[in-house]
Amino acid sequence: AQSVSQHNHHVILSEAASLELGCNYSYGGTVNLFWYVQYPGQHLQLLLKYFSGDPLVKGIKGFEAEFIKSKFSFNLRKPSVQWSDTAEYFCAVNVQFGNEKLTFGTGTRLTIIP
Amino acid sequence: GAGVSQSPSNKVTEKGKDVELRCDPISGHTALYWYRQSLGQGLEFLIYFQGNSAPDKSGLPSDRFSAERTGGSVSTLTIQRTQQEDSAVYLCASSLSGSLSNQPQHFGDGTRLSIL
Repeated sequence: AQSVSQHNHHVILSEAASLELGCNYSYGGTVNLFWYVQYPGQHLQLLLKYFSGDPLVKGIKGFEAEFIKSKFSFNLRKPSVQWSDTAEYFCAVNVQFGNEKLTFGTGTRLTIIP
Repeated sequence: GAGVSQSPSNKVTEKGKDVELRCDPISGHTALYWYRQSLGQGLEFLIYFQGNSAPDKSGLPSDRFSAERTGGSVSTLTIQRTQQEDSAVYLCASSLSGSLSNQPQHFGDGTRLSIL
């Protein structure tokens, strides 16, 4: 069965700092990859997704993620964070052509200090 | 526009009682998913519906858990004889189809279940 690891449990950054959140998955086959975000008091929202093609995926609000197959990684990046990026970020994986369920990581809480 | 609606938003109950959690998906969404998030854990898949059928029930943790969906719309998740380890936030999501390739999952706000 697939699993997802997010090694950073809580990240604290100042505004304008660059961000990289790690995500590694374990599954030998073809996967779809996702980042979801949950802002305080709001529900989970899709930030970006990767299915195939260009391994560098751009999402909403200036976020991007790079799929590196050899490293089983899908790290999330943003060059300059804002206070409004304070949220919890979840990486998720789905097995292509297997089933419909998403397997999530435990999440990374991001706090941006103004 | 209306999103995924879950009720109740909070539920506190005594150990051993049965609980029912409700999910109203976005109108027209054929696929519906239940997840739960326990303290310190990621979101754990429970069950997936395509229409009224549940092709994947693999995540249900025990036979105390069951779910149904009627009319291709509302779904209820029932937990019988609740235990303290059932305390969690139960999230529902829906998508236009069961294919993640084109249709993202839209999540509700969840039901926070606390078992005393």
